[in-house]
Amino acid sequence: AQSVTQLDSQVPVFEEAPVELRCNYSSSVSVYLFWYVQYPNQGLQLLLKYLSGSTLVKSINGFEAEFNKSQTSFHLRKPSVHISDTAEYFCAVSEDTGRRALTFGSGTRLQVQP
Amino acid sequence: EAGVAQSPRYKIIEKRQSVAFWCNPISGHATLYWYQQILGQGPKLLIQFQNNGVVDDSQLPKDRFSAERLKGVDSTLKIQPAKLEDSAVYLCASSRDRGSNQPQHFGDGTRLSIL
Repeated sequence: AQSVTQLDSQVPVFEEAPVELRCNYSSSVSVYLFWYVQYPNQGLQLLLKYLSGSTLVKSINGFEAEFNKSQTSFHLRKPSVHISDTAEYFCAVSEDTGRRALTFGSGTRLQVQP
Repeated sequence: EAGVAQSPRYKIIEKRQSVAFWCNPISGHATLYWYQQILGQGPKLLIQFQNNGVVDDSQLPKDRFSAERLKGVDSTLKIQPAKLEDSAVYLCASSRDRGSNQPQHFGDGTRLSIL
């Protein structure tokens, strides 16, 4: 069965500093990987996804994530964060079986301080 | 395009009462999901529909939870009777089809509090 581990429950960081949110997954088959962001009292919004091809994927608001198959990781990075990036970030995995829904990690709360 | 609509946004009930949530997915999306998100945790799949058929309900507590999507469009999730541990946000999501590479679009959820 697939599983996702987000080691950091909270990450405090100062505005304009770089940040990395860690995500590791476990699966016996090929996977698709996703990062979702959740703002207070809202649903989840897709931030970026890895389906195939280039292992480095980028979002329109400056986030990027790199799929590392040997380390079974999909860490999320941003070189310079803004106050508005404060939110909960969830890593999710879906197995390439055509049936499975998403399995989510427990989330990482990014707290950007001025 | 309009997003996934859910109602109500908030619900407070006493334990052993019943409650129902409603979801209207994005137009044309064949696959619909219900997730339970307990405070401090990631969402957990309860049930997945493909059109009006159930694809996966292995994690649905069937002794108290039920869900239907009779016409293959909107869906309802019911809890009867509710327990204290059912306090959570219930999220509905939809995707064009059930391929695991399809992105899921989420509603804002229903926050359920059990007294």
